[in-house]
Amino acid sequence: NAGVTQTPKFQVLKTGQSMTLQCAQDMNHNSMYWYRQDPGMGLRLIYYSASEGTTDKGEVPNGYNVSRLNKREFSLRLESAAPSQTSVYFCASSAQGDEQYFGPGTRLTVT
Amino acid sequence: AQSVAQPEDQVNVAEGNPLTVKCTYSVSGNPYLFWYVQYPNRGLQFLLKYITGDNLVKGSYGFEAEFNKSQTSFHLKKPSALVSDSALYFCAVRVNTGGFKTIFGAGTRLFVKA
Repeated sequence: NAGVTQTPKFQVLKTGQSMTLQCAQDMNHNSMYWYRQDPGMGLRLIYYSASEGTTDKGEVPNGYNVSRLNKREFSLRLESAAPSQTSVYFCASSAQGDEQYFGPGTRLTVT
Repeated sequence: AQSVAQPEDQVNVAEGNPLTVKCTYSVSGNPYLFWYVQYPNRGLQFLLKYITGDNLVKGSYGFEAEFNKSQTSFHLKKPSALVSDSALYFCAVRVNTGGFKTIFGAGTRLFVKA
C-alpha cells in the first residue's frame, strides 16, 4: 500500500517548456487534489477532482491543466512554464470530504 | 468569505512544557476542521479532525484540539512538548460547497527547544 505517489521528485525547466506531473493513489479515494506550496502562503489549491470524470478549478488555476485519467490517477500539466510557477507541488486524495493523504511532493524550478 | 487564520508564524516552547498552536476559521454552516503536520521535505500528514460531537478531539502523537464554536477557533494542543514535535503545522477547514474543497491556513512553525 504505497498511498499517494508523485513523479518526478525534482524538475528544472526553462521558461516556456512544458511538463506533466503525475500522481497516483491506491486507497480507492474518489477525490484528488493538486496544491502548490510557497513560503509563507500555506497550501493553495490549483485544481481538484471530486470524483472520476470531473475536475474543477481551485484558487490558482491559471497556467495549469489537469486530467483525471481514471480513479487512481490525476495529472497536472504546465503548458508553458513561467518562473512564477517555481514551487513545491503536492498531490492529495481523500474519501468524500474527509482527511486528505498527501504525496511526497515535486520540487519544480523554472529558470 | 470562507477562510482559516493561523495568527502566529512561529511558536517556541521548551521541551516538557504544554504547547498551543492557534487557529480560527470562518465558514458557513457546520465546519469540518483538520490539523496537519509537515516535517522537512515531506508531504503533509493528517493529525486530527473535528466533524461533530465532543469539542475535545484527540489525534496522533498525543496531540488534541479544542473546537470552540462561539469563538470560531480550533486550537491545537499538547500537554508536554517533545523536540521531535518541531515541524510546520497547518489548520484546514472544509468549505461547504460541492467538491469538498479544503482551505489551509498559512502554517505555524513550532520550535521545541531541549
